[in-house]
Amino acid sequence: GDSVTQMEGPVTLSEEAFLTINCTYTATGYPSLFWYVQYPGEGLQLLLKATKADDKGSNKGFEATYRKETTSFHLEKGSVQVSDSAVYFCALLTTSSGTYKYIFGTGTRLKVLA
Amino acid sequence: DTGVSQNPRHKITKRGQNVTFRCDPISEHNRLYWYRQTLGQGPEFLTYFQNEAQLEKSRLLSDRFSAERPKGSFSTLEIQRTEQGDSAMYLCASSSTEVSNTGELFFGEGSRLTVL
Repeated sequence: GDSVTQMEGPVTLSEEAFLTINCTYTATGYPSLFWYVQYPGEGLQLLLKATKADDKGSNKGFEATYRKETTSFHLEKGSVQVSDSAVYFCALLTTSSGTYKYIFGTGTRLKVLA
Repeated sequence: DTGVSQNPRHKITKRGQNVTFRCDPISEHNRLYWYRQTLGQGPEFLTYFQNEAQLEKSRLLSDRFSAERPKGSFSTLEIQRTEQGDSAMYLCASSSTEVSNTGELFFGEGSRLTVL
């Protein structure tokens, strides 16, 4: 079945460091891909998305490119801040069975130190 | 637009009791989803509705779990004869099928269940 695999955390970085969180997926058809973020004590919220191959999603300095050939959607940020400390979830929207189901990865916790 | 609302936010119950959670989605959203999240894990799909129709239910979901969305607005998730393994955060999310929709899921803050 469809699935999402993302790198295990926690990831600990110093402020202004470069961030990459890897995400790969398995899906039939052409899923839409998402990154969600969960800040401490808050609900999940959309960070960015891409709906087709080679699309680049971006928001708040984060970017991810939909790579169909490698079935990947890695999250990157050039310079992280303490306020980016959160749990990041990669997700896909699959419609292969005629229904609309979102499948999430296990999450990667990011801790940014001042 | 007040966002997705879930109640209660926290429920503590004894093993064997029944519990019910309620979700009020964003008013114009016709799709409603239930997920379960345990510590250190991502949201696990339970079921979803389009309007009042339940279109998919996880095969991993015990028959002790039932969900309804009788008028296509709010939804309830009931767990009968709770077990300690049911302890988790239960998340509700909604989305719209409008053409202009980006496919974004909007989440509530969750209902945390603790089974003693």
